[in-house]
Amino acid sequence: SQQGEEDPQALSIQEGENATMNCSYKTSINNLQWYRQNSGRGLVHLILIRSNEREKHSGRLRVTLDTSKKSSSLLITASRAADTASYFCATVNAGGTSYGKLTFGQGTILTVHP
Amino acid sequence: NAGVMQNPRHLVRRRGQEARLRCSPMKGHSHVYWYRQLPEEGLKFMVYLQKENIIDESGMPKERFSAEFPKEGPSILRIQQVVRGDSAAYFCASSPPGTRDNEQFFGPGTRLTVL
Repeated sequence: SQQGEEDPQALSIQEGENATMNCSYKTSINNLQWYRQNSGRGLVHLILIRSNEREKHSGRLRVTLDTSKKSSSLLITASRAADTASYFCATVNAGGTSYGKLTFGQGTILTVHP
Repeated sequence: NAGVMQNPRHLVRRRGQEARLRCSPMKGHSHVYWYRQLPEEGLKFMVYLQKENIIDESGMPKERFSAEFPKEGPSILRIQQVVRGDSAAYFCASSPPGTRDNEQFFGPGTRLTVL
């Protein structure tokens, strides 16, 4: 299996409900980032959490990171139809330069019904 | 400050032709990354470049693919003798120098279709 695997693969909810997506990874990381991709579009950076952080908030987004379990979760509260998109976690591996590739998971397809 | 720009947005090639994809990073960004996304999949890293240097090409196929980021002008991803399996969305991302966290800013992508 790959670094940065999300579950569930697909999530369907009603507007106003909360959406939780999980991501697991294998190697030690510098940070973990969440991106959103609307159908047929590029990626939009949502939030970044560093390896020494446990929780971070940005608007309706809440990200947690558990380095002992090598996992992260993204919570979107009070979801809206406009939140419908694919969500990807991506890791920057520890060691060496802080630059370099992002390793993406397979993504979670979120559908929010009005 | 314009975002990352990629062109063309859509590219159709016949098998055996060459594809050239261009990426202009955000102003002030000196790091460029190329990723490939197959249908229904996540992005896969291909190559990381700085001006005139290839830093990491561990994700590039060994044949037919090359990338450059010249001193002047955009970064180019070149695919020679394309095959149907090259059909994918190719995304470019950039990041500024001196960043602690390597947050990358993505372009809209080039969707390559090989007939």
